[in-house]
Amino acid sequence: KQEVTQIPAALSVPEGENLVLNCSFTDSAIYNLQWFRQDPGKGLTSLLLIQSSQREQTSGRLNASLDKSSGRSTLYIAASQPGDSATYLCAVIRDDKIIFGKGTRLHILP
Amino acid sequence: ETGVTQTPRHLVMGMTNKKSLKCEQHLGHNAMYWYKQSAKKPLELMFVYSLEERVENNSVPSRFSPECPNSSHLFLHLHTLQPEDSALYLCASSQDWAGGNQPQHFGDGTRLSIL
Repeated sequence: KQEVTQIPAALSVPEGENLVLNCSFTDSAIYNLQWFRQDPGKGLTSLLLIQSSQREQTSGRLNASLDKSSGRSTLYIAASQPGDSATYLCAVIRDDKIIFGKGTRLHILP
Repeated sequence: ETGVTQTPRHLVMGMTNKKSLKCEQHLGHNAMYWYKQSAKKPLELMFVYSLEERVENNSVPSRFSPECPNSSHLFLHLHTLQPEDSALYLCASSQDWAGGNQPQHFGDGTRLSIL
């Protein structure tokens, strides 16, 4: 059974710093992995989607990597801003199943 | 404006009531989804509809009944709910149901409280 773990559950970082969020999964046979952002009281916003054949994806200050063999993905945020404060969720997809982690709650300190 | 609109935003109901959640998307997508987000638990996929046909039902209790009358609208009919059903219910859509291989666009959810 696929399990997705995100550590830490919460993180506070001073503005301007670079940071890394971690996601691990137990079954490496996945189709793709997605990173989402969720603001309080809102739905999810898709940030990056990495196909199983890819190693990384970049969008602006965000870079997501995927290492299937070790069952890990990281989301790198460069030059963090207060507007980056949100909960970040990763999800893995295989066989029409999408499994989410519990998320990392990120707070950027002004 | 997310393109996916959910109503109501908040709903409080008793265990014997019957209510419905509504989701509407104006993105021209063919696939729509219902998710449940409970406190302290990962987001759970409940139902998937592709071209108005249900393609996924993840062992959801029968007190939750989905309906997809057309590709733009998705409903979740609720009856005889339990306190543990209190959660944020999220609707999403994607261009197609390609095994989850496409980005999904989410609504802001309905916060459901069962008394």
